[in-house]
Amino acid sequence: EPEVTQTPSHQVTQMGQEVILRCVPISNHLYFYWYRQILGQKVEFLVSFYNNEISEKSEIFDDQFSVERPDGSNFTLKIRSTKLEDSAMYFCASRQDHYGYTFGSGTRLTVV
Amino acid sequence: AQRVTQPEKLLSVFKGAPVELKCNYSYSGSPELFWYVQYSRQRLQLLLRHISRESIKGFTADLNKGETSFHLKKPFAQEEDSAMYYCALVTGTASKLTFGTGTRLQVTL
Repeated sequence: EPEVTQTPSHQVTQMGQEVILRCVPISNHLYFYWYRQILGQKVEFLVSFYNNEISEKSEIFDDQFSVERPDGSNFTLKIRSTKLEDSAMYFCASRQDHYGYTFGSGTRLTVV
Repeated sequence: AQRVTQPEKLLSVFKGAPVELKCNYSYSGSPELFWYVQYSRQRLQLLLRHISRESIKGFTADLNKGETSFHLKKPFAQEEDSAMYYCALVTGTASKLTFGTGTRLQVTL
């Protein structure tokens, strides 16, 4: 069964540093998403991406965040200047049709 | 505004007992609902979607528009069912998922 792949599985970074989280969605999927889950809290939507542009973003997704699909296969989330409160599990998801969401295994980001 | 409510943070049942994980939603449009399961901090896995009315691992869920509910049920709990369960609603122009806070199901012997 096709999978969404995320790297790295765990990233530790110092406050103020830039991080890039990487995702390889399923190849024939057209819609891409980033979600995050702060420890002990619910999964929250960050951003959706379709046709090489952001289609919707949440209040969390401020100017510190950006997404890119640089080469037709990778889908990246960049946090420009990390804060302690950015520590969370970040999940990438993709879908082809209206119902087939597939999530990656996540990147645990720890900001120290 | 859209909202998904899972009132129970933890549900503890004995093996073989029936399970019902509650989910209520608030949405002005036509709802499309899912149940996702997360085992031990692993990836979120799709368990059920209301549109297909299927049964996975013995779990079923029926959409009740009158009560705005989509409760997850299983007649006989198994140890391997222990996990976090999230109810999710499709919303917005980008069809994003809005998740509930999740219920931890603990099945004990």
